[in-house]
Amino acid sequence: DQQVKQNSPSLSVQEGRISILNCDYTNSMFDYFLWYKKYPAEGPTFLISISSIKDKNEDGRFTVFLNKSAKHLSLHIVPSQPGDSAVYFCAASAGGNKLVFGAGTILRVKS
Amino acid sequence: EAGVVQSPRYKIIEKKQPVAFWCNPISGHNTLYWYLQNLGQGPELLIRYENEEAVDDSQLPKDRFSAERLKGVDSTLKIQPAELGDSAVYLCASSLGPGGGIQYFGAGTRLSVL
Repeated sequence: DQQVKQNSPSLSVQEGRISILNCDYTNSMFDYFLWYKKYPAEGPTFLISISSIKDKNEDGRFTVFLNKSAKHLSLHIVPSQPGDSAVYFCAASAGGNKLVFGAGTILRVKS
Repeated sequence: EAGVVQSPRYKIIEKKQPVAFWCNPISGHNTLYWYLQNLGQGPELLIRYENEEAVDDSQLPKDRFSAERLKGVDSTLKIQPAELGDSAVYLCASSLGPGGGIQYFGAGTRLSVL
């Protein structure tokens, strides 16, 4: 049972445009959500997070939106840069317990 | 400050052989995690330690996998005997405390079982 789903295996955007990565979850007990970025041959790197008491969190070019009623979150990257090309993982936890990850979305930013 | 350090980075073994992975977490991080990542999937938790205690090992295949975290710092994950299906990336992560939150990952060990 996949509790965290990233339905788009890959996404390609032009440099300077917006990248939107989506994530859906099924477990209503999840109260903390994170996005990780992963380059080849490296471990996942923390990017941005959001608590379930918020619906938006912004950090520079990265913004995460949370829609609890739809059990959906999204990561917006504006403007997208070639260095943003990586695999992006959505993750969620309930009460500070283990992180449950989605399968990832490969983002390719074309220059 | 050094991040999470894992070794070896790559390991190739024949099936039925034993293998061990080592992890050194970020200094001061009491919580340590071992994850398994198969190709095209996200990491999946194998075991979580709070200091020396394994508080969640429900996903660890205990017939062949074992782990230890002596003195609440470094940790070792062992597979004996390895099977073909164990080929994957094994990731170690650490976080400040049991509240979960941000986990910091090492680069992982890529295991190939032939």
